[in-house]
Amino acid sequence: RKEVEQDPGPFNVPEGATVAFNCTYSNSASQSFFWYRQDCRKEPKLLMSVYSSGNEDGRFTAQLNRASQYISLLIRDSKLSDSATYLCVVNPRGYQKVTFGTGTKLQVIP
Amino acid sequence: EPEVTQTPSHQVTQMGQEVILRCVPISNHLYFYWYRQILGQKVEFLVSFYNNEISEKSEIFDDQFSVERPDGSNFTLKIRSTKLEDSAMYFCASTSSSGTRPYEQYFGPGTRLTVT
Repeated sequence: RKEVEQDPGPFNVPEGATVAFNCTYSNSASQSFFWYRQDCRKEPKLLMSVYSSGNEDGRFTAQLNRASQYISLLIRDSKLSDSATYLCVVNPRGYQKVTFGTGTKLQVIP
Repeated sequence: EPEVTQTPSHQVTQMGQEVILRCVPISNHLYFYWYRQILGQKVEFLVSFYNNEISEKSEIFDDQFSVERPDGSNFTLKIRSTKLEDSAMYFCASTSSSGTRPYEQYFGPGTRLTVT
């Protein structure tokens, strides 16, 4: 099983739609979880950390399921500017490396 | 808002040459990282650095690679003898050791290294 696994997509959705991405991780002892977005040929940008209780930031909601070892990202009311690759990132332990998934590509269509 | 900066944005070098990639982490951050991303592939960890020493490195980070924090602001990645397969985007990242959001890593804009 890969350390961090994501459906590569692409997810093509119309403006205003709700879209959800899942990500699974293999290390049950992983401590921290994040969603980043990456635009073409740009750096990963932190979208949000994922907390055990779930968290929301505007149109974005992240959930963590430790028992099943997956995290999810829900985007409501999709905008054209949401088009990007969404990276699931897992931190196995503290301040050491993080492990990236391959990313899920989202294309929001007018 | 503080940000990680990297120079140069693009470096072209010949195989076998040495390159130094430079990064200025966010000023109050204490943990620093280098990652690379080969075109079309995922972001891969290279090395983490804390308290003036390497704290973790990946299999990719072999003897050809080294890191240094020569002064209070810069963090550098050196590749001694570049290979064609070193062509990639190299990202520097940093994180704070405290605060309400520990472990969140902030990335610089990257240096695109092209080895010919």
